[in-house]
Amino acid sequence: DTAVSQTPKYLVTQMGNDKSIKCEQNLGHDTMYWYKQDSKKFLKIMFSYNNKELIINETVPNRFSPKSPDKAHLNLHINSLELGDSAVYFCASSLIGAGDPYNEQFFGPGTRLTVL
Amino acid sequence: QKEVEQNSGPLSVPEGAIASLNCTYSDRGSQSFFWYRQYSGKSPELIMFIYSNGDKEDGRFTAQLNKASQYVSLLIRDSQPSDSATYLCAVRNYGQNFVFGPGTRLSVLP
Repeated sequence: DTAVSQTPKYLVTQMGNDKSIKCEQNLGHDTMYWYKQDSKKFLKIMFSYNNKELIINETVPNRFSPKSPDKAHLNLHINSLELGDSAVYFCASSLIGAGDPYNEQFFGPGTRLTVL
Repeated sequence: QKEVEQNSGPLSVPEGAIASLNCTYSDRGSQSFFWYRQYSGKSPELIMFIYSNGDKEDGRFTAQLNKASQYVSLLIRDSQPSDSATYLCAVRNYGQNFVFGPGTRLSVLP
């Protein structure tokens, strides 16, 4: 009965490879997010996505692309991986709906990506 | 640019003391404020949220909000070693994304 799940939990890969991280939520939320948390623990938003719009943090390289097959899934594809992409990536979901600001975000367990 | 600031710490307090964590934000239109706790190697988990000026208490935790000063704080009474973690402040406006602060690392010494 996991609320927000991510796979894989650990991902070790070589520079230049393409990889994907999957995220699924069973909370019925309408908005999903991807965050990057670097070694200094700063949680930075990369994308937010609902069935109406994709909001991209302008600092995110276009090597990163979110793909949502349906409301419950938001996968993260990364092309041409670089050393600086090494971090923990968190998926999260929330109920935005009509713009209620009081709904919290629920986080997945994180995916630790290591680029060698 | 909307910003949320926190003292990165580490903040060290003895067991049983009150830990006080502070957060300031730049967007005056912010409506809701969240405190998340993150243990090392784990994902953030919600401790409390607050959206009205004043204090909100939940067990050993009290969130305080002052919108005029754009300031929100979290007090942890009777601090325990198990409270040692990074505490993230997050701020949100209508229809907007969450903006997280850099987090304050708290260490409760036995």
